[in-house]
Amino acid sequence: QSVLTQPPSVSAAPGQKVTISCSGSSSNIGNNYVSWYQQLPGTAPKLLIFASNKRPSGIPDRFSGSKSGTSATLGITGLQTGDEADYYCGTWDSSLSGYVFGTGTKVTVL
Amino acid sequence: QVQLQESGPGLVKPSETLSLTCAVSGYSIISPYYWGWIRQPPGEGLEWIGGVYHSGSTYYNPALKSRVTISLDTSKNQLSLKLISVTAADTAVYYCARLDDSSRTFNFDYWGRGTLVTVSS
Repeated sequence: QSVLTQPPSVSAAPGQKVTISCSGSSSNIGNNYVSWYQQLPGTAPKLLIFASNKRPSGIPDRFSGSKSGTSATLGITGLQTGDEADYYCGTWDSSLSGYVFGTGTKVTVL
Repeated sequence: QVQLQESGPGLVKPSETLSLTCAVSGYSIISPYYWGWIRQPPGEGLEWIGGVYHSGSTYYNPALKSRVTISLDTSKNQLSLKLISVTAADTAVYYCARLDDSSRTFNFDYWGRGTLVTVSS
């Protein structure tokens, strides 16, 4: 049972924008940075966003992250067919003294 | 370039012990980072299992804590996972990954490719 809630799926046409929400609590998102991971079919997750809004080297600026209170959001602009994947948020939970992942969101390009 | 590679039996019988290792190359595991295990049941989401700091301190998912042991082998630059008394619910792809907790950013920045472990008689 994940403590971070995401919508099961989002979809949009190529070139459009999607946003994915991640809802938590004061013990996790409210007091820690959020990361986002992209998992393409059949592959391991890949770090997409760290420290809530920073991109690792090599991640295009079409991907962006933000955080407000106990929620975080991932945005993908200029949607491409190669963006079809599952996306997970994650952060440290101070109450659990452990890492927690979101429930995951499947992005479909129409 | 940091690389991680999981290995171990792909099939484990119910009630037995699941044992996996993760070989780390391109980086020393005694450097100040946290090394963790994550699993993903078929068709489901990611679940953090636990991990170990370079100092040897461990953190475990409370739901699995009674059955899990994670440790470092500094001589081989690898980490290991042991999960006892497995059931079919432990069938999953198991990933090892490095957690960067610098400035409390807490992100898994390097991942192995994962290994599928099936629990079945």
